[in-house]
Amino acid sequence: AQSVTQPDIHITVSEGASLELRCNYSYGATPYLFWYVQSPGQGLQLLLKYFSGDTLVQGIKGFEAEFKRSQSSFNLRKPSVHWSDAAEYFCAVSYNTDKLIFGTGTRLQVFP
Amino acid sequence: DAGVIQSPRHEVTEMGQEVTLRCKPISGHNSLFWYRQTMMRGLELLIYFNNNVPIDDSGMPEDRFSAKMPNASFSTLKIQPSEPRDSAVYFCASRPGLNEGEQFFGPGTRLTVL
Repeated sequence: AQSVTQPDIHITVSEGASLELRCNYSYGATPYLFWYVQSPGQGLQLLLKYFSGDTLVQGIKGFEAEFKRSQSSFNLRKPSVHWSDAAEYFCAVSYNTDKLIFGTGTRLQVFP
Repeated sequence: DAGVIQSPRHEVTEMGQEVTLRCKPISGHNSLFWYRQTMMRGLELLIYFNNNVPIDDSGMPEDRFSAKMPNASFSTLKIQPSEPRDSAVYFCASRPGLNEGEQFFGPGTRLTVL
């Protein structure tokens, strides 16, 4: 079955530190890949997406993600975290359909 | 653009009551999605429409749930009768078209069934 794994339920970092959130997907075909962010009480906002081409994609708010086919991964990174980045982050995949399959999310906490 | 609009933002009801959640997609978007978010199950796609026609409702949990899209600017998700296990945040999202562009999410409706 198609699935998305976000192995880290909760991550805590200090402001200014680097960040990497992990995402792995199952299934052999290369999916369309997405990262969304959800602030408390809010809907989901798209950070970035990968469809094809350059495997390193840039998104909003200084985030980037790298698609690694050999590892079935699409990890999200940011070189320096700001307190306002505290939120829940969701990785999602789509296999040439309209359905988005979401991971369980990673809650990011940022300490000053 | 106002984005995807959902109402109400919060709903508290008693078990057995009918609940109707409403969604207005972004103007010009032809695809509309209903999701449910819970701690236990995460984000689940319930149903989606394209050009007002339901395309896939396989995620609808049971017959108590129904969704309609009478026109391009309005959709409803109805639960009748509601049960405590239906308590969740329900999100609506819209997209320009099938396999086209990203999904834009509304702020969600937090439903509590007592």
